[in-house]
Order: sequence, then structure tokens, then C-alpha cells
Amino acid sequence: GAVVSQHPSRVICKSGTSVKIECRSLDFQATTMFWYRQFPKKSLMLMATSNEGSKATYEQGVEKDKFLINHASLTLSTLTVTSAHPEDSSFYICSARDGRGSRDSPLHFGNGTRLTVT
Amino acid sequence: QKEVEQNSGPLSVPEGAIASLNCTYSDRGSQSFFWYRQYSGKSPELIMFIYSNGDKEDGRFTAQLNKASQYVSLLIRDSQPSDSATYLCAVEGGSYQLTFGKGTKLSVIP
Repeated sequence: GAVVSQHPSRVICKSGTSVKIECRSLDFQATTMFWYRQFPKKSLMLMATSNEGSKATYEQGVEKDKFLINHASLTLSTLTVTSAHPEDSSFYICSARDGRGSRDSPLHFGNGTRLTVT
Repeated sequence: QKEVEQNSGPLSVPEGAIASLNCTYSDRGSQSFFWYRQYSGKSPELIMFIYSNGDKEDGRFTAQLNKASQYVSLLIRDSQPSDSATYLCAVEGGSYQLTFGKGTKLSVIP
């Protein structure tokens, strides 16, 4: 079945540095990928919608200059957390659906990236 | 603003019992409804999805949808300790974007 691969699974970085997270669809093309963030004991919050070949669409309250999204191909989207701060520590999860957009192809999630900013 | 409401729980049921998880949504135009299971520290995994009013059964799981009442539920029969997790209700209105509820934590007591 469809698989979404996310890397790295865990990263610890110092405050002020940037971190890049990759999300790949392994056996299908994803024209759209979604990036979520989840704080402890909270639900998933959509950060942005990544569109292949065009600019990402950010949700209200999410800084586009801080969370850079690049969707350069039909199988890869990246999220870069720039100048990370401790409050950015969270669980970041990407998701994607088969580009054909069939109702029978629900959203598939990557395994998530646990970011800790010290 | 689209909202998806779930009782945060925890919901405790004895092993072998039926667990009933409920979800309501605000957007009457919502089209697709999903239940995801999330173990602590892990990414969500799809349990079931439902599009039409009524019941949909898959093994021990039954999803129920009532669009008139804007209500969707998940029943887990013969609950097992391994079913202990947080269950997320998700609603899709369009553009494949999902709005998630805060999740209901289920504990199945051996």
C-alpha cells in the first residue's frame, strides 16, 4: 500500500539553528502534502498545505518565513524550521494522498519527527 | 471556523466490552469522515473512513455516520488492551484538508 516516509524521526538542535524535515511518498505521486504539528497531549494542527510546483498555503498564525516549505517534486516535500527556538519543540507530521485524489485513497501519515530545541 | 469535537476522556472499558467513541462536527458541508488511532509518541494510523449515512463495519470496528445530526461514532467490539490509544476523529470538507478533533483517550482494562 501507499507509504509516506518522513526523515529524520528525531532531531535535537540548538536554539537559533535551522532544521530540515523531509517527507516522501514512496509508491505514489502526491501533488499535495500536508504538514501538521502536535504538542504533547494536543491534537494535530494543520500548519500548511504543500503544493507541488507552487507556493505553500499556510494556516492562520503560522509564520511562512519561519516554516519554509518546498515541494519540488511529486514525491518530496520539505519543511525547514528556521532559527528554531525552544517553543518550536514539537512533533511534526507530514501526510499525503495519492495524486489521483480518489475518495478511496485516504490520507497517509509519515512517522513524524520529534524536534527538540535546546 | 470548522470544529470537530470529541470527549477527551479517558474512556475506560473492561477487556471484551464495547467501546463507543463519539464525534460531532460543525461544518454541514463536510463530506468524508475518518477515525485514526494514535499511540503515545507515534504518528496517527487510519482505522476507518466513512462517506455515507449509516454504518460501516470492518472487523471489530464499526463507524456510524449521521449527517443530519452532524455526528460520527466509532464502536470497537471485544475491546483488547492493545486498543488502548487516543482515537482521533477527522473531518474533510474539501481540498483534501482534514480537521482533527482533540482525540479521545481509550483505556482497555485487562
